[in-house]
Amino acid sequence: AIQLTQSPSSLSASVGDRVTITCRASQGISSALAWYQQTPGKPPRLLIYDASTLESGVPSRFSGSGSGTDFTLTISSLQPEDFAIYHCQQFDSYPITFGQGTRLEIK
Amino acid sequence: QLQLQESGPGLVKLSETLSLTCTVSGGPISSSSYYWGWIRQPPGKGLEWIGSINYVGATYHSTYYNPSLKSRVTISADTSRNHFSLRLSSVTAADTAVYYCARLVVAAPDNWGQGTLVTVSS
Repeated sequence: AIQLTQSPSSLSASVGDRVTITCRASQGISSALAWYQQTPGKPPRLLIYDASTLESGVPSRFSGSGSGTDFTLTISSLQPEDFAIYHCQQFDSYPITFGQGTRLEIK
Repeated sequence: QLQLQESGPGLVKLSETLSLTCTVSGGPISSSSYYWGWIRQPPGKGLEWIGSINYVGATYHSTYYNPSLKSRVTISADTSRNHFSLRLSSVTAADTAVYYCARLVVAAPDNWGQGTLVTVSS
């Protein structure tokens, strides 16, 4: 199974900051990567798919990049509602796998 | 608007079978454009894909399972009721989790149910 490793595992930042989260795959997955945001007690919300395509309705301050094994999620200017857990997920091959998650907290 | 809703017992006894149903409204599960799947999240932990089902044509479907659970998992669907189901046998405490059903575009979940907590107890 393809393993996804996110870094950092947790991150403290302030409103207005620019934040980058990294997801590394154990083998090449082309651009078959998605990013999700999860707030407490809620299901994950799809933010980005195909590594860089913004899901409809997602604010443009979110962006994704990368291909192969290294990917990033960037939030250009943090808003209060962005403090959450972020997950990456690969869909290049079965079994579908997720990263361990990155907790983004308010500094 | 597509909606998914999980239902089933919140408490399952050790070694018994966990059964959940996901009722879909706002679109047919028989569409070959989408997959329908189950994902779980143990308390305080990350997400684990359990398996997916996809219809190719009106009656033929394919299923895909996580190898780590394959021997215990069955996913089935009832297109007449527009729902799909999960059965996980021989449960242990490690199966305690929030179980989500989801629609997947290829293999990326884009619509999720609210989730249901299933606790395995002795």
